[in-house]
Amino acid sequence: DVVMTQSPLSLPVTLGQPASISCRSSQSLVYSDGNTYLNWFQQRPGQSPRRLIYKVSNRDSGVPDRFSGSGSGTDFTLKISRVEAEDVGVYYCMQGTHWPPGFTFGPGTKVDIK
Amino acid sequence: EVQLVESGGGLVQPGGSLRLSCAASGFTFSKSEMNWVRQAPGKGPEWISYISSSGSTIYYADSVKGRFTISRDNAENSLYLQMNSLRAEDTAVYYCARGVSGGWEIDYWGQGTLVSVSS
Repeated sequence: DVVMTQSPLSLPVTLGQPASISCRSSQSLVYSDGNTYLNWFQQRPGQSPRRLIYKVSNRDSGVPDRFSGSGSGTDFTLKISRVEAEDVGVYYCMQGTHWPPGFTFGPGTKVDIK
Repeated sequence: EVQLVESGGGLVQPGGSLRLSCAASGFTFSKSEMNWVRQAPGKGPEWISYISSSGSTIYYADSVKGRFTISRDNAENSLYLQMNSLRAEDTAVYYCARGVSGGWEIDYWGQGTLVSVSS
């Protein structure tokens, strides 16, 4: 089964400064159709997850452009160009390439303000 | 606007059963794959089940296979999860989530319903 890892697991950031989260998969996430099914989700305290990024680098509608996704193969990154207070929460990467049997989530990175 | 509203959670004893429901609106439910994803307290999400738009294809995580049953009623725009032989480790918030990109991705999630398994 595919294993997803994230680093760091905790990320204290200063308001207005950039932040970067790494996500790695144990197998390549390139599917036979050429797409890479790697998503990023934000979960604010007390809320359900909200998708930010799909297929590695595509921002969902309504997601601020300070969020960006990049990467390929087994190595992916979510960047926040300038952290705002509303960005506090846990960020998860999720792969959908190797399914069935099912989607696999990373352990999450908790972002909070210094 | 896509809306997914789960219901049916609660406190149940080990070995008991519960049936969760998810009411969908704001999109063509009958053409959408659907999933159940759960999140134990303080943990990350865990995908547990998928059902195709017609209901003809179903998958389960090993952790729930043989105990949980996913189903849907396209006429009622509803998704269900029948949970039997519940264990303490099934305690979690259960979310329904819409599948997209032919099922290879998830986009919208509901607000979740809490299932607590305890004696």
